Amino acid sequence: QKEVEQDPGPLSVPEGAIVSLNCTYSNSAFQYFMWYRQYSRKGPELLMYTYSSGNKEDGRFTAQVDKSSKYISLFIRDSQPSDSATYLCAMSDTGRRALTFGSGTRLQVQP
Amino acid sequence: NAGVMQNPRHLVRRRGQEARLRCSPMKGHSHVYWYRQLPEEGLKFMVYLQKENIIDESGMPKERFSAEFPKEGPSILRIQQVVRGDSAAYFCASSPSGDSGNTIYFGEGSWLTVV
Repeated sequence: QKEVEQDPGPLSVPEGAIVSLNCTYSNSAFQYFMWYRQYSRKGPELLMYTYSSGNKEDGRFTAQVDKSSKYISLFIRDSQPSDSATYLCAMSDTGRRALTFGSGTRLQVQP
Repeated sequence: NAGVMQNPRHLVRRRGQEARLRCSPMKGHSHVYWYRQLPEEGLKFMVYLQKENIIDESGMPKERFSAEFPKEGPSILRIQQVVRGDSAAYFCASSPSGDSGNTIYFGEGSWLTVV
């Protein structure tokens, strides 16, 4: 079993839809949770960063962390074709800087 | 505002040759990380370095791979005697310090193809 599970998709939605992306994890020591966006042949771009449980909102993006369920989510409101990319969740525990990534979900937003 | 700079962006090597990938961290960042991304897979941690120190190399293959971050100059990821399975994207990332609360910023990657 992988430490971080992420549905690979592809997930195809119409423009304007609300997108929900999710990851589950097994390591209860994870305290820091991140979402990265990666366009084809590009480096990962940090979108959201959350410490421990709770919600965080930034523009059209909302990140949620539920540590009791070991489940994190990224919501994208009013999705745009430019949001079409692979979304990677990542997490780490206190004291160790190595990030553990999910395998990524490929999102396609249809105009 | 220069980000994490990696070069070369694309590198082709024949089996048995050496590959050297370079990374200059963001200005003000003293911590460097290397990750590898195989086709259709997520990123896998390889090594974490500070200037002149390897902090965590738990993700590095035991043979043929080495990394350094000298006092002066970029960090180098070196792969000796490359094999086809080394073909991947190698990403460097940096952060201002080793505090777990600091976020990590990635470069654009170096794509290694072994023929």
